[in-house]
Amino acid sequence: DTEVTQTPKHLVMGMTNKKSLKCEQHMGHRAMYWYKQKAKKPPELMFVYSYEKLSINESVPSRFSPECPNSSLLNLHLHALQPEDSALYLCASSRPRGGASTEAFFGQGTRLTVV
Amino acid sequence: AQSVSQHNHHVILSEAASLELGCNYSYGGTVNLFWYVQYPGQHLQLLLKYFSGDPLVKGIKGFEAEFIKSKFSFNLRKPSVQWSDTAEYFCAVMVSYNTDKLIFGTGTRLQVFP
Repeated sequence: DTEVTQTPKHLVMGMTNKKSLKCEQHMGHRAMYWYKQKAKKPPELMFVYSYEKLSINESVPSRFSPECPNSSLLNLHLHALQPEDSALYLCASSRPRGGASTEAFFGQGTRLTVV
Repeated sequence: AQSVSQHNHHVILSEAASLELGCNYSYGGTVNLFWYVQYPGQHLQLLLKYFSGDPLVKGIKGFEAEFIKSKFSFNLRKPSVQWSDTAEYFCAVMVSYNTDKLIFGTGTRLQVFP
């Protein structure tokens, strides 16, 4: 199984809503990532979790709150977002436990629209 | 800080033309290098990767890339493009110290006309 599964595929939320994006992988990977991708732009790294601990936060606003409940799951909690936060949010994973770096496997993304 | 640059932002080719997309990175340590492709409306797919060994790597769909350490480059090539190669191409560098950090280049939009 080389899949990274993201839910939901599409999400429309108001600026006062609270919602969560979910990501799951069963490849035993120990690094998990959140990226944000605007149209016609490269993915921008937001967060990296390594062995379930937050290891990189690329100065992301606090209205985005990541969580890694266990080694297979990664959540991104959203609160009080702005319309400019509308984008494709990508989850990825890499690095098997105790192993060397591998390529990152990406999910299909959640298309988020903030209204 | 680490960075990845792609020189060609938009490339337009006719079918059967040869393709070379440039990628340079700035990082003095060991890196793993990748090319990803994103077809219109689709998710990122890995084209090829370099970790170590032979600096000329072959990927899917007839693509290859050459790692030149002295030039900090990892250029993507294809001898003969097809209309179906129309997509966005991203070079990416994975830097591993305390953790893995995958950084993308700005991307190159390739349009292939029949």
